[in-house]
Amino acid sequence: DTGVSQDPRHKITKRGQNVTFRCDPISEHNRLYWYRQTLGQGPEFLTYFQNEAQLEKSRLLSDRFSAERPKGSFSTLEIQRTEQGDSAMYLCASSQTGTGGREAFFGQGTRLTVV
Amino acid sequence: AQKVTQAQTEISVVEKEDVTLDCVYETRDTTYYLFWYKQPPSGELVFLIRRNSFDEQNEISGRYSWNFQKSTSSFNFTITASQVVDSAVYFCALSASGGYQKVTFGTGTKLQVIP
Repeated sequence: DTGVSQDPRHKITKRGQNVTFRCDPISEHNRLYWYRQTLGQGPEFLTYFQNEAQLEKSRLLSDRFSAERPKGSFSTLEIQRTEQGDSAMYLCASSQTGTGGREAFFGQGTRLTVV
Repeated sequence: AQKVTQAQTEISVVEKEDVTLDCVYETRDTTYYLFWYKQPPSGELVFLIRRNSFDEQNEISGRYSWNFQKSTSSFNFTITASQVVDSAVYFCALSASGGYQKVTFGTGTKLQVIP
């Protein structure tokens, strides 16, 4: 499977715990995006990387959230001191610049439930 | 500010019927890009189409067709002869830059095709 993969697919955590999600983009893609999707809503942009550089962060990304993309390959999204409002689907996508970048490919997401 | 409105929350059709999903957008930019994505129950977003604001030609791809009308700020999506496999949530999205870091998604329309 050469698509975008995310791990884990589901995560249940207690309020106050830290969680980390991983995204493996399509190997030749230099751009990687993180989105959050709550029930009944469309995805909302959180942050994106071009290679290893984090170029933009949404105001939705509070101080409890941090994302990394070491070596420009996989990325991790960490949420510290989780709150119930963090419960959502976290989607990762990747795309390639320089070839038109017509489409971004999305992973299946990590569904986070904070209890 | 950008806004995408998908007024139809849920639609049910009987298999083989045609169905149109509405999308109305707002933007002050003269150059922008519109997208449609499909989100099946498995969770990943599947790219369907990207259209820039200078190209008002309607597009047909198999059973799918798109009607872009700048005069009414609409980018509607029609599925002809619907099939059960078309059941999913469909999102319309807008980006001023064409890049996925500034994309605004609508709230989605859930389509159920009944056999």
